[in-house]
Amino acid sequence: IAGITQAPTSQILAAGRRMTLRCTQDMRHNAMYWYRQDLGLGLRLIHYSNTAGTTGKGEVPDGYSVSRANTDDFPLTLASAVPSQTSVYFCASRGQGAGANVLTFGAGSRLTVL
Amino acid sequence: GQNIDQPTEMTATEGAIVQINCTYQTSGFNGLFWYQQHAGEAPTFLSYNVLDGLEEKGRFSSFLSRSKGYSYLLLKELQMKDSASYLCAAVDSNYQLIWGAGTKLIIKP
Repeated sequence: IAGITQAPTSQILAAGRRMTLRCTQDMRHNAMYWYRQDLGLGLRLIHYSNTAGTTGKGEVPDGYSVSRANTDDFPLTLASAVPSQTSVYFCASRGQGAGANVLTFGAGSRLTVL
Repeated sequence: GQNIDQPTEMTATEGAIVQINCTYQTSGFNGLFWYQQHAGEAPTFLSYNVLDGLEEKGRFSSFLSRSKGYSYLLLKELQMKDSASYLCAAVDSNYQLIWGAGTKLIIKP
């Protein structure tokens, strides 16, 4: 089934630990995104990648890093987690051609930092 | 700055009609999205408007007025499964999405 897979679904993490959230898509979409969603706030863009080999900073990039070694994978790394990074994280991708503006989202990763 | 405003919460009755409004201020404009998000799930695409006017898709319709910086999502014949959050997002001049905080829609029998 074509789509986006995120892992883990949920994770509890001690502050100061390193954590990588994985995101894989099989739709051959060029553009990929990482958002965080917090209660009462809209989705906020952390990092994005317009194509394999390139990345860019979004609205709230501090404390996060990404890489885009190939088209399919776009992992998000928290080098040293802090409690303010407790959130639900969504990976998304956007294709080309007809419907190119539409974002497709993964199921989300719920992260709790204690 | 860039800003999206939509009501925090709305309540409606099963079988009725509800209109969820969204106003936006962005640097440049390349369209407006509506997404539906059930609790604990990912957002899913409902509609995309780039031209003024109303677009109808089954029970859901979306309207855009570019001159007023305004959009609405109209849901007809409400069903219990329509209980969800509805997210409005405007596309700015860099083709980035600016998201509203979402409107939680509660449907009562």
